[in-house]
Amino acid sequence: VLTQSPGTLSLSPGERATLSCRASQSVKSTYLAWYQQKPGQAPRLLIYGGTSRATGVPDRFSGGGSGTDFTLTISRLEPEDFAVYYCQQQYGVSRPYTFGQGTKLEIK
Amino acid sequence: QVQLQESGPGLVKPSETLSLTCAVTGGSVSDINWWSWVRQSPGKGLEWIGEVSRSGSANYDPSLRSRVTISMDISKNLLSLKLTSVTAADTAVYYCARHVAVPTTRGFDFWGPGTLVTASS
Repeated sequence: VLTQSPGTLSLSPGERATLSCRASQSVKSTYLAWYQQKPGQAPRLLIYGGTSRATGVPDRFSGGGSGTDFTLTISRLEPEDFAVYYCQQQYGVSRPYTFGQGTKLEIK
Repeated sequence: QVQLQESGPGLVKPSETLSLTCAVTGGSVSDINWWSWVRQSPGKGLEWIGEVSRSGSANYDPSLRSRVTISMDISKNLLSLKLTSVTAADTAVYYCARHVAVPTTRGFDFWGPGTLVTASS
């Protein structure tokens, strides 16, 4: 199980956002990914392998953490960053993937 | 640039079988080892359904394993999803997605736009 917090985060453009993803058991950090989803769109991969930014993702997005606690940090929020964010993990090869329930990042 | 496009009936009757395909363009399904299907019920989060490899092996979410089959047709550059005995709880947007090519890492880097399937009589 992946638990994301907070459920909703209200911030202003220019502020720093820290999103949390906690696993019920230890996860290999390279098996952790983060996605952004806007209404009516498919999810967009932001971070794969725990810390690697996907192609085209701005460097204000960064992923980190280890064991059971992981974070997605957006250093300075832009208007286009307000969306829902999901973490995803796989506990091991050929094991099921699971997603967190999502964090909605809204404009304050 | 790889593109994925899901297609199939938008309405399926309860107890019947949901069948979707995912056409891959701009690349070959055999270029990447694993591909997945993910769904999202209206207003809800993401749910992984299962994955298929270019060797033909597949893994499924335990909650759906008894009803789902995912396959790949390399000659047609297609992925397929079949879900039997559907109920209203299977109403969702269904996405196909490509796994990242970097070994020992995880993430789905290309997604189709999704297709809404409603299970209703």
